[in-house]
Amino acid sequence: DGGITQSPKYLFRKEGQNVTLSCEQNLNHDAMYWYRQDPGQGLRLIYYSQIVNDFQKGDIAEGYSVSREKKESFPLTVTSAQKNPTAFYLCASSPGQGIGYEQYFGPGTRLTVT
Amino acid sequence: AQSVAQPEDQVNVAEGNPLTVKCTYSVSGNPYLFWYVQYPNRGLQFLLKYITGDNLVKGSYGFEAEFNKSQTSFHLKKPSALVSDSALYFCAVRDRISGGYNKLIFGAGTRLAVHP
Repeated sequence: DGGITQSPKYLFRKEGQNVTLSCEQNLNHDAMYWYRQDPGQGLRLIYYSQIVNDFQKGDIAEGYSVSREKKESFPLTVTSAQKNPTAFYLCASSPGQGIGYEQYFGPGTRLTVT
Repeated sequence: AQSVAQPEDQVNVAEGNPLTVKCTYSVSGNPYLFWYVQYPNRGLQFLLKYITGDNLVKGSYGFEAEFNKSQTSFHLKKPSALVSDSALYFCAVRDRISGGYNKLIFGAGTRLAVHP
């Protein structure tokens, strides 16, 4: 997990509340990503960003928002509009968008909404 | 659209035996393939990748993968399994999207259980 931190590790919220998940990297990577992991479904891309102040919707962006004000930070907000927010959320980064770059993952945040 | 499939939800193997975790892919153009491992409640760790070149790719922790273009497969292998290899394994393929971006598309994962 080295170089990418996510906090908190576990997060509990009541339905109807917005919640922000933190992701910080000290790898000097340009690109950052947010994934959602549900049992038996692999990882699904929520948002991604290649540079500061630019980000793009992934496959399941509805009910989520992000910002990229600093190169090292890419926080994800899970809004009350997300219908099924309970999941394991993973942040990742890569040196760039080159086709051969692998992604490096943080340790994840497990969000439970009741 | 690019996709990967991991046909086995779980693979069981005895410690010391060889292991194989299967992955097949469907891509237009050249495939760029990756394997990751995930331990419980942790993030994914990169194991290896195929971009071009030799069909046998060597990676971390003694793992290797064989790229087979005719069978559109990229199976993960290890000659001698360890109990500590027990984890969830993901195959992924790179997919180009608009604006020069690209992303990873992941399979559903295969749980590997190595028994003493």
